[in-house]
Amino acid sequence: GAVVSQHPSWVICKSGTSVKIECRSLDFQATTMFWYRQFPKQSLMLMATSNEGSKATYEQGVEKDKFLINHASLTLSTLTVTSAHPEDSSFYICSARFVSGPYEQYFGPGTRLTVT
Amino acid sequence: GQNIDQPTEMTATEGAIVQINCTYQTSGFNGLFWYQQHAGEAPTFLSYNVLDGLEEKGRFSSFLSRSKGYSYLLLKELQMKDSASYLCAVNAAGNKLTFGGGTRVLVKP
Repeated sequence: GAVVSQHPSWVICKSGTSVKIECRSLDFQATTMFWYRQFPKQSLMLMATSNEGSKATYEQGVEKDKFLINHASLTLSTLTVTSAHPEDSSFYICSARFVSGPYEQYFGPGTRLTVT
Repeated sequence: GQNIDQPTEMTATEGAIVQINCTYQTSGFNGLFWYQQHAGEAPTFLSYNVLDGLEEKGRFSSFLSRSKGYSYLLLKELQMKDSASYLCAVNAAGNKLTFGGGTRVLVKP
């Protein structure tokens, strides 16, 4: 149980275009989903917290107009990287937490974004 | 602010024991997690400590001392597949995870 999927697993896009990444909790309902970014050989940095039916809460330094987050249901959150630039190339990982239960987060497999 | 420190890298021999330390200073504390992450993959859950003491789970054990802001992850009977990064993360204010920089463990034959 507690499986989180992400799609796509990797994507290459041209500078200036937008990319959407989906995060789904497959076998549980998640009130809260989190989006992280990880650069090579670095740890995970929280970008935003996404709550179902409400606006996402962004961490300091993360541009909300560039990284659009939508959490339309208890099993789906999306991250759209708008007007992508090469410096946005990174490993994007989502996680989800049960509606009720422990604070443990279950991580998706990640999406490797490369902007050329 | 939040500050979580762990060593950058450790090397150990197959069959041996390695202890990865983690110290933290956070505003709020709702538990400490250890995750394993292989290169290019997402983190996988290893352990969760919210009370002081030792939690044992097979070859992996995790210890917490809240008064000292200290935790360690103990890996016993090391196997080659244990070569990975180990991430210490604190569930702090706002129920958000703050991660340490990760410790890369290299297991040698």
